[in-house]
Amino acid sequence: QQPVQSPQAVILREGEDAVINCSSSKALYSVHWYRQKHGEAPVFLMILLKGGEQKGHEKISASFNEKKQQSSLYLTASQLSYSGTYFCGTEPQTGTASKLTFGTGTRLQVTL
Amino acid sequence: EAQVTQNPRYLITVTGKKLTVTCSQNMNHEYMSWYRQDPGLGLRQIYYSMNVEVTDKGDVPEGYKVSRKEKRNFPLILESPSPNQTSLYFCASSLWGKVNEQFFGPGTRLTVL
Repeated sequence: QQPVQSPQAVILREGEDAVINCSSSKALYSVHWYRQKHGEAPVFLMILLKGGEQKGHEKISASFNEKKQQSSLYLTASQLSYSGTYFCGTEPQTGTASKLTFGTGTRLQVTL
Repeated sequence: EAQVTQNPRYLITVTGKKLTVTCSQNMNHEYMSWYRQDPGLGLRQIYYSMNVEVTDKGDVPEGYKVSRKEKRNFPLILESPSPNQTSLYFCASSLWGKVNEQFFGPGTRLTVL
């Protein structure tokens, strides 16, 4: 079952902040975040693991609530380059990496 | 340059005509995976491989086959393509381990008539 992302779409003005949420009905081992620009391949943003370990780009921050099986991606002081579709991918707690299940995406548009 | 390559990038074919989409990575990654992307459905995993000769089904494996005879290559085979397999396909690879950032290929847009 795919994780649920919210919102489905958001429009921001440059400099504004946004939060994208990802929720799963299953116990999770990790949550992955990727961004895809139109016509391009998805690009890695961040991984958050159960227990607190994480790896990602410096300008991106995210959280992972293991009890609620929820993750949030925080985009602060947005730039035009942040536009794209954001996908979360979840890995079940069996830890048999990597059967990754992606959400349907959140489309973000940053305008001047 | 570290990369994942896919061929062909675009393909139009007819129902029932067997085809293979190749995927190759030059990063010595153990893990490789195939996804299909359809509007409104996001990325759905077809098959993945944790190493040579080790493959497993993803969420939508019906109608597809894979093989992993070499570490760098992970071809996707459609034995008898049907129109519902018209989609954008991505191959991805990563190192094996906990913090496994996936690198995606450029995508293959397949149309089955």
